[in-house]
Formats: sequence, C-alpha cells, structure tokens
Amino acid sequence: GAVVSQHPSRVICKSGTSVKIECRSLDFQATTMFWYRQFPKQSLMLMATSNEGSKATYEQGVEKDKFLINHASLTLSTLTVTSAHPEDSSFYICSASSSWGTEAFFGQGTRLTVV
Amino acid sequence: AQSVTQPDIHITVSEGASLELRCNYSYGATPYLFWYVQSPGQGLQLLLKYFSGDTLVQGIKGFEAEFKRSQSSFNLRKPSVHWSDAAEYFCAVAPYNNNDMRFGAGTRLTVKP
Repeated sequence: GAVVSQHPSRVICKSGTSVKIECRSLDFQATTMFWYRQFPKQSLMLMATSNEGSKATYEQGVEKDKFLINHASLTLSTLTVTSAHPEDSSFYICSASSSWGTEAFFGQGTRLTVV
Repeated sequence: AQSVTQPDIHITVSEGASLELRCNYSYGATPYLFWYVQSPGQGLQLLLKYFSGDTLVQGIKGFEAEFKRSQSSFNLRKPSVHWSDAAEYFCAVAPYNNNDMRFGAGTRLTVKP
C-alpha cells in the first residue's frame, strides 16, 4: 500500500513557540491531505482538508491562524501550531489521498506536548 | 451530515472467544466504510474497507466485516480473538470522493487471558 510519513513522531515545545509537523506521501502524489487531532482516549477529529496549491478548508471551530496548513507540493503538507499552549497538546495525524485513489493513507501521528 | 456511531465504548472478551464490534452510520448514500485499529500511542492501521460489491469483506489479522444497507451497519467480527488484538478500534465513513472522512468514537477492546 501507499506510504505516508509523518515527522516528527514526538515533539515537546515551550508555551508561546511554534512547531511544524510534516506529512509526506512517499510513493504517490497526494492531491488531498487531511489533518486530524486526537485527544487522549477520544476519536479523531478532522481539523482541515488541504488540496495541493490551494488554501486549506478548516472545520468549524478550528482556528486557521493558530493551525497553519501548507500544501505546496503533491508530496508534502505541513501543519504549524503557532504560539502553542498546553491545551494544544494532543496527537496529530495526517492522511493523504491521490486523485485516482479511493482511500486515504494515514501517517504514524505526532505526539505534541506543550510545556 | 454524515455521522458514525460506535455504541460500545469498551468491550472485554476472553482470549479465544468471538468478537463483534458494532458500527452504524448515517449518510445520504452508501459511503465508503472502513475499520481501523490503533494501539496505544500509535497511528492507525487499516483492517478492512468496503467500497462496493460483496457485502462481506475480509481484512487483515482474521477480521471481517459485513455491510448491511437495511440497517446502515458495518459491524466488525473475528471468530477467535488473540491477546494481541487488544487495542482501540475505529469505524470510519467517507463519501465517494474520499474527502471528509469521519470517525466513530472508538471501541476499546480488552482481552482477558
């Protein structure tokens, strides 16, 4: 199956700083990428959908200025958590799909801890 | 709007016993349906998926799921669980164009020795 690599797998940052998470499709062109957030013992909540070369579409309640999403190429999307606060600590997961595909493939996830 | 319901938050079964995890969806048309498994602190692993055709779908690790249109259900089954099956299981739906995948709340499976 197609491979999606997410980096880093774990990151700890100080309050007020920004952190960038990368999501790469290694063996296919990802025309669409999705970013999810998962709180402990809860389900995945879709944060935003990004299409290559376009602005991301954010779900209701997700602050676009806080969670910056860039999808500048067909193999890379980034999520930047700006001015992070402890309440932003969570597990972030990306997925990617191609224009011809019928499913999205998930990255391994990133555990963000803001201290 | 589409939604996914997993009625059971936590299920405990004995090793070797059979398992059924329930999933119901609400959607205007038949969506794509998925079951994922997640071990603690890990990403998602796809167990199986249904797009069309045979309503009984075979997946990895001995899992299967049956799509029942009349009941809007896509229940996951395994005839004999193993201790390594203990994990969180998520049912998910996506429209035909694969955007906007929605997940159920998840069912945590505990396996007793």
